[in-house]
Amino acid sequence: DAGVTQSPTHLIKTRGQQVTLRCSPKSGHDTVSWYQQALGQGPQFIFQYYEEEERQRGNFPDRFSGHQFPNYSSELNVNALLLGDSALYLCASSLDPASTDTQYFGPGTRLTVL
Amino acid sequence: DQQVKQNSPSLSVQEGRISILNCDYTNSMFDYFLWYKKYPAEGPTFLISISSIKDKNEDGRFTVFLNKSAKHLSLHIVPSQPGDSAVYFCAVPDSGSSNTGKLIFGQGTTLQVKP
Repeated sequence: DAGVTQSPTHLIKTRGQQVTLRCSPKSGHDTVSWYQQALGQGPQFIFQYYEEEERQRGNFPDRFSGHQFPNYSSELNVNALLLGDSALYLCASSLDPASTDTQYFGPGTRLTVL
Repeated sequence: DQQVKQNSPSLSVQEGRISILNCDYTNSMFDYFLWYKKYPAEGPTFLISISSIKDKNEDGRFTVFLNKSAKHLSLHIVPSQPGDSAVYFCAVPDSGSSNTGKLIFGQGTTLQVKP
């Protein structure tokens, strides 16, 4: 049973560019949440997708957008990259939007903005 | 304004001894708390949780204690093992109860267990 997978593992971009990160949820899970973990900090909630719609959003600018596909996989898009967007981006999946202790996290995508 | 704080960035203990990781929160409406463990190159994994109707929850070597009046929780690992070396996060559901998937995390504490 495959867990949560994310691609790519690492990514280097320059300021002003756009990036797309991908997440495949654990088998049977229909809800995907995205978190940003800056160096030395805990993960910060970006947004959650359920039934192909954004259900909840954290305190992130509109440069951060997402999408969920019919197969429940998800993408995180970040436009006009800033140096401060350098972080580990984590995807978490669950059986329903209200789940907390049954969220499963992927290994993350390490984004470096130069 | 940080609602969940882990004031110790790191902790080092000897194998077999007790590890105590601490977490403070600011919102007295929070009533459900979780601990996650994270190894390098892996995502956080759920470890243990506690509801505010309890002051203690135990799962094998891991025990979480909740002091609601002090807005403080702690994770005890007894006995500590080298495989416990990881970053530990405390987390709270944003709404304060368990019925939301949006988690607020502390900054994390890096635990090193020396053989």
